[in-house]
Amino acid sequence: QSALTQPASVSGSPGQSITISCTGTGSDVGGYNYVSWYQQHPGKAPKVMIYEVSNRPSGVSNRFSGSKSGNTASLTISGLQAEDEADYYCSSYRSSTTPVFGTGTKVTLL
Amino acid sequence: QVHMQESGPGLVRPSETLSLTCTVSGYSIRSGYHWGWIRQPPGKGLVWIGSIYYSGSTYYNPSLTSRATISVDTSKNQFSLKLSSVIAADTAVYYCARSRFQNGAVPDFWGQGTLVTVSS
Repeated sequence: QSALTQPASVSGSPGQSITISCTGTGSDVGGYNYVSWYQQHPGKAPKVMIYEVSNRPSGVSNRFSGSKSGNTASLTISGLQAEDEADYYCSSYRSSTTPVFGTGTKVTLL
Repeated sequence: QVHMQESGPGLVRPSETLSLTCTVSGYSIRSGYHWGWIRQPPGKGLVWIGSIYYSGSTYYNPSLTSRATISVDTSKNQFSLKLSSVIAADTAVYYCARSRFQNGAVPDFWGQGTLVTVSS
């Protein structure tokens, strides 16, 4: 199964905004509004930060936002904080028997 | 809040069967959703293994369907994975996760994962 393409790493200074892209195809990201973003700290469970492209679960900071254009979804973190350093993955529903995940992006603070 | 915890041996010999259990708290498996397994080999991406509904209906990744078996025990609020004839390439962190979709897409809760190493 082909993974969704994410940049391997993204970095920013505290207080800045960063955006992580997640590129798929018309059979997954582009075809459905079921894209989720996960934050994972080392040794911890992945945590949903965004679901259905742009919805935030209760308890997730409004500094996290999601969007989609064509076959590319994006996660934006505004007002970057130390606690945001983590790995981020996207995932999409796909019109086949297997779901698809992103390759993962490591976010680091400068 | 849903909490999921994987348990099982961290070391499995080649050709033997890997067995893991996921214990769910904060939500009854009988209430719905699909309960699945996802793995991540060291330095590689996430791969969905398969999912089960509380009724016992299962759905597997075609690449693993001949070796993977997922079962559910609603009385214990647990579900399990067995992966037979393991090889070194099965070494990975194994996660259990909950999804609204039968194919396990976009899971909303995950366990923290457990590392399983296949080695003699």
